[in-house]
Amino acid sequence: AQKVTQAQTEISVVEKEDVTLDCVYETRDTTYYLFWYKQPPSGELVFLIRRNSFDEQNEISGRYSWNFQKSTSSFNFTITASQVVDSAVYFCALSRGGGSQGNLIFGKGTKLSVKP
Amino acid sequence: KAGVTQTPRYLIKTRGQQVTLSCSPISGHRSVSWYQQTPGQGLQFLFEYFSETQRNKGNFPGRFSGRQFSNSRSEMNVSTLELGDSALYLCASSPPIAGANVLTFGAGSRLTVL
Repeated sequence: AQKVTQAQTEISVVEKEDVTLDCVYETRDTTYYLFWYKQPPSGELVFLIRRNSFDEQNEISGRYSWNFQKSTSSFNFTITASQVVDSAVYFCALSRGGGSQGNLIFGKGTKLSVKP
Repeated sequence: KAGVTQTPRYLIKTRGQQVTLSCSPISGHRSVSWYQQTPGQGLQFLFEYFSETQRNKGNFPGRFSGRQFSNSRSEMNVSTLELGDSALYLCASSPPIAGANVLTFGAGSRLTVL
């Protein structure tokens, strides 16, 4: 069975601190995709990144970086120098590589609060 | 380019009633997926439609149904509403490219069942 675990329910940091959101996944598929989405208070899920199972390169986009390690089935997300606007719920998600493109398995989410 | 549009944004119903939610995908997107979000269960997949055909279905009772029209717009219906159906219902669309399953979500329809 496929599963995504985000062990951190809530994290609170002070602005400019670095913060890492953990994501551990389970799947027996050899081809799969991993995602991170952000959900601000408005409710709309905003896509941040997608990784396929064959691409273990870490990625950096501005203050955001992602560390994908197949050996530990983890896909962690780091925000450097956090800002108040980063406050949101962040979801890690997993999908299969086949035809079921719209079926994402989401973790429970991590609520990040960045205080000024 | 317009995003995914969901209507209505908010609605209140009573137990036993039925509700229909609408989703207009991004122009050119042919796949539409629906999710239910609750504080207890989190985000759960309801169903996915592609070219008017249901391609996949989550583990929800038959009271939850959907359809997709030829213009890719989709509706979902919940009959005989229960208190536990109170949730944020999110619709997402994706382009018709194999493997490029990046979902773009709408702002959701928040349903309250009294």
